[in-house]
Amino acid sequence: DGGITQSPKYLFRKEGQNVTLSCEQNLNHDAMYWYRQDPGQGLRLIYYSQIVNDFQKGDIAEGYSVSREKKESFPLTVTSAQKNPTAFYLCASTEGSGNNQPQHFGDGTRLSIL
Amino acid sequence: QKEVEQNSGPLSVPEGAIASLNCTYSDRGSQSFFWYRQYSGKSPELIMSIYSNGDKEDGRFTAQLNKASQYVSLLIRDSQPSDSATYLCAVIGYSSASKIIFGSGTRLSIRP
Repeated sequence: DGGITQSPKYLFRKEGQNVTLSCEQNLNHDAMYWYRQDPGQGLRLIYYSQIVNDFQKGDIAEGYSVSREKKESFPLTVTSAQKNPTAFYLCASTEGSGNNQPQHFGDGTRLSIL
Repeated sequence: QKEVEQNSGPLSVPEGAIASLNCTYSDRGSQSFFWYRQYSGKSPELIMSIYSNGDKEDGRFTAQLNKASQYVSLLIRDSQPSDSATYLCAVIGYSSASKIIFGSGTRLSIRP
């Protein structure tokens, strides 16, 4: 079955610690995205990538980093510089470069501060 | 003005009735419009895409697009308790470089 797999489902971060959220897709999609969702709020774009070895900052990139070394993988690192990381993190992908195509989401990772 | 606006709700509709969800957008050049359903604690799920003016029907769901008035709506006929969720409107604008802009969502509650 094709889809987007995010892991882990739940993650806890200690003060000063970097953590990495995994996102893997087997849909052969070119474009991948990371969003943050806070309780009762909409989705805010963190980073996106339309092609391997290239990515762009979204609206709230500060305190986060990404890499796109393989087409199927787009991990997100939440660094210690992100002072309020508690949120629901969603990875998405689209066919082609994303023009006019809907995004499909993984099941999400819920990150909390210890 | 937000790029994509939705009434946050909650919108309460009796079971079996029609639920009407509305969304307005600011980028007049927008070409692609989507509705997602998000259950509490879950990720968004695509339920409708619409690209042309008019209505598009899929089962109990109808999406309506009016580009001149810059609004898109979602009608849910014969509403069921399982339709209770937050519905996100999403738009790809001409000026957004193919990024999807999401509204904050409307919370829909179907009462028995």
